[in-house]
Amino acid sequence: DAGITQSPRHKVTETGTPVTLRCHQTENHRYMYWYRQDPGHGLRLIHYSYGVKDTDKGEVSDGYSVSRSKTEDFLLTLESATSSQTSVYFCAISDKETSGTDTQYFGPGTRLTVL
Amino acid sequence: AQSVSQHNHHVILSEAASLELGCNYSYGGTVNLFWYVQYPGQHLQLLLKYFSGDPLVKGIKGFEAEFIKSKFSFNLRKPSVQWSDTAEYFCAVNPRNAGNNRKLIWGLGTSLAVNP
Repeated sequence: DAGITQSPRHKVTETGTPVTLRCHQTENHRYMYWYRQDPGHGLRLIHYSYGVKDTDKGEVSDGYSVSRSKTEDFLLTLESATSSQTSVYFCAISDKETSGTDTQYFGPGTRLTVL
Repeated sequence: AQSVSQHNHHVILSEAASLELGCNYSYGGTVNLFWYVQYPGQHLQLLLKYFSGDPLVKGIKGFEAEFIKSKFSFNLRKPSVQWSDTAEYFCAVNPRNAGNNRKLIWGLGTSLAVNP
C-alpha cells in the first residue's frame, strides 16, 4: 500500500464547530485529492492539489477549504460543520508525475459524524 | 458532460459463479481506465488498470477487464467468485487530453455479495 495516513480516523463533532482532517503521504507525490463517500453517491471530489500552495475545487467544494503548505500534508477544513457533511472522507495521491499513469492510491479514510 | 455508468448497482452471486460487472463511459477521446475494490470497512484498492496495449487486462485476485473502444466499455470479469470477493466495485475513467487529466470520473459503484 502507498504510504498514506489520515487523521483522525474517527471524529464526532457538533454542528457549527470547525473541523480539520489531515492527510499525510510519504511518497513525495505532487497530486493529492480529498473525496467524500456517501451511500448512493459513490466518490465525490471535494478539492485537489497539484503542488505546494496549488489547489483547485472539485465538484462538491462548498463548505470546505484546503491547504497544502508542505508536499506531504494536505489538510481539509470544514469551517462550520453541518450535518450534511457527515460522511467518510478519503484522501488520495496520484503517481502521475513519476509513472505517467495517473493512478490514484487511497488512504484509510476518516469517518466524520456531525451531530 | 463526461460520465461513467455502472449498470449493476447490486449483484448477488453464489460461490463459484462467474461475474461480469458493466462499466460504460462517455468520452470520445483517449482514456485511462481503472477498477477499484472496496472491502467492507476498508479503503479503495486498485484492482486493475488499462492505459494502452492489450485491451484485455489482468489484475489481482483473478480479476480481468476488457476494454472495448467501440462500445466505450471496460467490463470487469472473474470466472469463479469467492465469498471473500464480497465488496463494492468502482469503475473510474481518466479522459486524457481533456484538460482535466488530473481528475478521475467515477461510477457510482456496484455492490457485490457472494453467498457461501
